[in-house]
Amino acid sequence: AQKITQTQPGMFVQEKEAVTLDCTYDTSDPSYGLFWYKQPSSGEMIFLIYQGSYDQQNATEGRYSLNFQKARKSANLVISASQLGDSAMYFCAMREGHNAGNMLTFGGGTRLMVKP
Amino acid sequence: AAGVIQSPRHLIKEKRETATLKCYPIPRHDTVYWYQQGPGQDPQFLISFYEKMQSDKGSIPDRFSAQQFSDYHSELNMSSLELGDSALYFCASSPWLDSGNTIYFGEGSWLTVV
Repeated sequence: AQKITQTQPGMFVQEKEAVTLDCTYDTSDPSYGLFWYKQPSSGEMIFLIYQGSYDQQNATEGRYSLNFQKARKSANLVISASQLGDSAMYFCAMREGHNAGNMLTFGGGTRLMVKP
Repeated sequence: AAGVIQSPRHLIKEKRETATLKCYPIPRHDTVYWYQQGPGQDPQFLISFYEKMQSDKGSIPDRFSAQQFSDYHSELNMSSLELGDSALYFCASSPWLDSGNTIYFGEGSWLTVV
């Protein structure tokens, strides 16, 4: 079974609108972390936001927020007030356990395109 | 702020040659990860190191080896290169868990095997 599933291969959003990128995960480990990364066409992988499995509140970082629903095993990324520069590939990733060096497993990604 | 530094950024090698990629983590980050991202693919985990010891191992071919040195930089050595090794190779670093839960990636090294 896929550990990280991103069901939206591509999405369009109008500039200045909000958009939600879906991510569901599968793990039996009670300790895990969820990450979102942005990959522009230039290739670099930019860290956006992190949510720990024991965190009580949803993570927020500027225009990014994470809608964490633990019982549903979902960790959707919400981008508010979309900008043209938000057009990129977005990856959800999970790290299981709490040992240093534990691998990140990535989903297949969602390509977001912001329309002017 | 200092980021993860990878070198070289681009390299072209012929089949059966050897390539070495270098990674310099963010200062005070003691954990290093290597990932391979093929065209149109999500990143695949290769190997990680914590305090110079191998921590976790993924789908790293036997032709590849890596290590982390005393200054925490890491090198990925790839031998007998194949066309399928053409990819974007990322290094990432993170601090010890109780001082942060973020994993930062470098800009990647583009390897083309011809």
